[in-house]
Amino acid sequence: EPEVTQTPSHQVTQMGQEVILRCVPISNHLYFYWYRQILGQKVEFLVSFYNNEISEKSEIFDDQFSVERPDGSNFTLKIRSTKLEDSAMYFCASSEARGETQYFGPGTRLLVL
Amino acid sequence: AQSVTQLDSQVPVFEEAPVELRCNYSSSVSVYLFWYVQYPNQGLQLLLKYLSGSTLVKGINGFEAEFNKSQTSFHLRKPSVHISDTAEYFCAVRPTGGGNKLTFGTGTQLKVEL
Repeated sequence: EPEVTQTPSHQVTQMGQEVILRCVPISNHLYFYWYRQILGQKVEFLVSFYNNEISEKSEIFDDQFSVERPDGSNFTLKIRSTKLEDSAMYFCASSEARGETQYFGPGTRLLVL
Repeated sequence: AQSVTQLDSQVPVFEEAPVELRCNYSSSVSVYLFWYVQYPNQGLQLLLKYLSGSTLVKGINGFEAEFNKSQTSFHLRKPSVHISDTAEYFCAVRPTGGGNKLTFGTGTQLKVEL
């Protein structure tokens, strides 16, 4: 069964460093998403992406964040200058079409020191 | 805006006992409702969803949920749980009218004991 994959599974970085989290969505899906879950808190929506542009973003998704589909298979989330409060589990998801079920990857646990 | 409340952060239950995980939501617009499950070290997996039609929805692994519009609830139930059901369960909503943003609750940790 096709699945969303994410790399790395864990990432440790120093405050102020840039990180790139990678995702490979399901191959025939057209909509891509990033969510995050700070330890002990809710899963929160960050951004959705379609046709090479952001279709929706939350207030969390500020100028420090960017997303990109650099090729036909990868979908990345970049945090330009990490802060301690960016420590969280980051989930990528994809869906076949707008409004269809979102399928989630296993997540990348980011720890900012 | 939408919000989802899962009042129970942890629910311990013995194997083969029934379980109900509660979910209430608040929204100014109509929503679709979802339950996701997260097993240890894995991603979120869709258990079931309510889009329209019958208010009783059946999902995978023997789970079901009932949509109650008047009480704005979507409680998840299973008549007999197994050890393998130990996981975190998340209730989520999404507006029917547009947008793809899922709004999640804080999750309920279900711990099934022998």
